[in-house]
Parts: sequence; structure tokens; C-alpha cells
Amino acid sequence: EVQLQESGPGLVKPSQSLSLTCSVTGYSITSNYWGWIRKFPGNKMEWMGYISYSGSTSYNPSLKSRISITRDTSKNQFFLQLNSVTTEDTATYYCARETDYWGQGVMVTVSS
Amino acid sequence: DIQVTQSPSSLLASLGERVTITCQTSQSISNNLNWYQQKPGQAPMLLIYYATSLQTGMTSRFSGQYSGRSFTLTITSLEPEDIANYFCLQHYSAPLTFGSGTKLEIK
Repeated sequence: EVQLQESGPGLVKPSQSLSLTCSVTGYSITSNYWGWIRKFPGNKMEWMGYISYSGSTSYNPSLKSRISITRDTSKNQFFLQLNSVTTEDTATYYCARETDYWGQGVMVTVSS
Repeated sequence: DIQVTQSPSSLLASLGERVTITCQTSQSISNNLNWYQQKPGQAPMLLIYYATSLQTGMTSRFSGQYSGRSFTLTITSLEPEDIANYFCLQHYSAPLTFGSGTKLEIK
């Protein structure tokens, strides 16, 4: 069974970078697409982007200048980096395999 | 971006009642819409994919239909374990976009 688990700091200071890891078990990240989604306070959700089985990426244009998704196939992990964060980036961050399997999410607060 | 309008935002229903949630998209997406159930502190669970297909392992009390740009999720007979937040996702074109969610509670 595919399982995904997000990890990373729960608190990030404004202007710094947010870095999260998604650890995948039960399935290789060299197949399919692997994405990041976030849910803001108030429940609005935003698809952030994905990294494909080949390592190519696609990002939401709203984030394009700040986001990077990378991977380590030897560890079966993929990563999110979001630069120059503000309080508006406070959200629960989820990783997912395409649109079917999701992690439980990790809450990240941007605050000084 | 494709806009997805979901209604209602919250729903009070009785056990055994039939419940319907709707998502309407701003442009045609064929059947490229999924429905999810999310309980507090848990990962979202895929219920329905490609608008009408029931995900393996999900109860047949859940069903999906669509006509044009309007998509519906139906729960035929509400059970206590169905209390959750439900949302839709269009995956026809990037950026993928979501409905705003429906909080389902017992009356």
C-alpha cells in the first residue's frame, strides 16, 4: 500500500525558506507524478506543483518564482522548498501521489 | 484557472438521510473531477474518480454523477462514520483547482 508522510519545521520566520520532505513507502517515486498541495486556514486548498517520474516539474503559476520541487530517488523522497515566505503561507501542507494517495499533512506557521 | 464552485459549505443531515453535494466548474472538464472525504487529523481519502468511478474499498453508499459542468456526490443513506469534510478536485488542466469543501454534520 502506498503511504506518504510529510515532515519538516512547524514554524518558519517571514522571508525565510520553507522546506518539507515527503517520504514514500510502498511505491517508487520513479513512477507516476508526486505533488504538493496546501490547505489554508479557512479551508481553501491550493495545488502547488508536482515532480514527475522522470524528474520534470510543473508549478502553479501563482508560486512559480518561489517554489522548487526536487527528489532523492535513492531515499524514495521528494521535497518542497518555498522561498521568501510570508504569513500568507501559513497552511497545512500535503504531499500526494497524483490525485489518489495523500499524506496526513503537516501544519506550517509563518511567524516571527 | 478553472474555478470550482462547491455547495453547500455546510450540511446538517439525519442518519439514514440521502445527502447531495455539488461542484460546478467554470468551463467544461469532461469527467476529470474527483471527490474526497477528509476527517480531522487524517489524510484526504479518494472516494470517486473521473466523476463516477467508486474508488476500491469505498462503500457503495457513495456515488458520483455529472452533467455538463455540474458534478454531484451522493450519499444514499447517511451513517455516523460519514461525518467529515468533503471536497472536489478538477484535474482536467493545470493548475489543478479545488472546491471549497462541505462540512457534513449530523442533525
